[in-house]
Order: sequence, then C-alpha cells, then structure tokens
Amino acid sequence: SQQGEEDPQALSIQEGENATMNCSYKTSINNLQWYRQNSGRGLVHLILIRSNEREKHSGRLRVTLDTSKKSSSLLITASRAADTASYFCATDQAGTALIFGKGTTLSVSS
Amino acid sequence: KAGVTQTPRYLIKTRGQQVTLSCSPISGHRSVSWYQQTPGQGLQFLFEYFSETQRNKGNFPGRFSGRQFSNSRSEMNVSTLELGDSALYLCASSPGLAGGAQETQYFGPGTRLLVL
Repeated sequence: SQQGEEDPQALSIQEGENATMNCSYKTSINNLQWYRQNSGRGLVHLILIRSNEREKHSGRLRVTLDTSKKSSSLLITASRAADTASYFCATDQAGTALIFGKGTTLSVSS
Repeated sequence: KAGVTQTPRYLIKTRGQQVTLSCSPISGHRSVSWYQQTPGQGLQFLFEYFSETQRNKGNFPGRFSGRQFSNSRSEMNVSTLELGDSALYLCASSPGLAGGAQETQYFGPGTRLLVL
C-alpha cells in the first residue's frame, strides 16, 4: 500500500527555476525521507526529516514537514539539467517498513 | 567505503523458473532491505533482514523469500516466476540499530529481472 503520495506526478521547468514537489501521507510517522532516482537506477538519499522537525536544508534542497496536515514539500532552488530525475518521499509505516510514494518526475531543460 | 552492490544486474528468466538475487551491503551495515519497483505499483517493500533474521516483511506471496548471512550479505529468491514478477529489484542497506525505516537507506543499482 502507498503511504506517501507525491504531487505533481510530473513537472517540467527551465534551468534556474525552482521546483516544488509535495508529499501527503495517511498515518502518523516518526520520519519522512526524500530520495532521487535517475532513469531506473538505484535511489539516492536526499534528506531525512523527523516528526519533531519542521524544516531542513541541504545545499539547494529545502524540505518542510507539517505533521498536522500530514504533508511535506521538497523545494529545489536554481534547478539544473542534472536535477532531472524522479523524486520519491518515503515514510515509516508503523515504525517498521519504509513505504514509498509513486514519485514526481522532474524534467529540467536548458 | 564501497557502496551497495547487487548481482546480477540483468536477468532474463521464463515463467515457472526460480531466481536468486544477491546484495552486498556497505561494510558495517547490518540491515538489508529489498524492494520491488514496477511502473504500475511503484516501489514496494519486500522484507528487511537484520543480523541474519527477518525483521519486517511486506505484503508479498510466499514465493518471495530471502536470507542474510553472517557477513550481512543477503539473497532474495523468487520461486515459480510469473510474468508480473518482471521488475527492478533494489536492495538497500543501513546500520540497522534503529530499524531500517528510521535510518537513511543506501541503495544498490538494482537487478532488472525480465520474465518471459
């Protein structure tokens, strides 16, 4: 079952623009993670945010978490062509398994 | 440190056969989790092993099984393959002390399985 659902499913922007992806989930969580996947390869971890945190930054990435709305957002600033990938949020379901959403496909054109 | 490695990278099997996939975690990591990725269902959790014991299991039929060795390397086996088992199989490792779902997962490149 899908715990997290990303929105939008696909996003196309120009280099230099910001990209925002949203994730909604259904049950309470201990943490939420964001991963990137390039073209059917392995996933790369981006950020882990715990339920008692509201915002985290890593380079050009900013993640927010609103546990009252059961939602998170990933902001990529000043996008580059190399950011073209699929982005997934993942939550811990009942503290055991890491459950992934279906992802947002980001396309950054130069 | 070397990353997570998976072998083989590509595999073609026919219906009814069985297959074994291998995953070597990052040195020092004791948790290995397996995921199946398909275009229709997305990324789905199969199971997690920690210290040679299955710690968590997803909602997959018994045809899907796994094991972990004392050096933390893990294998997953799928018996009686079906066409719907065609997928990218990903393994991920983590230190494991807090539970795989509570830690950053380090993914391997995956094994792409095609069932004909």
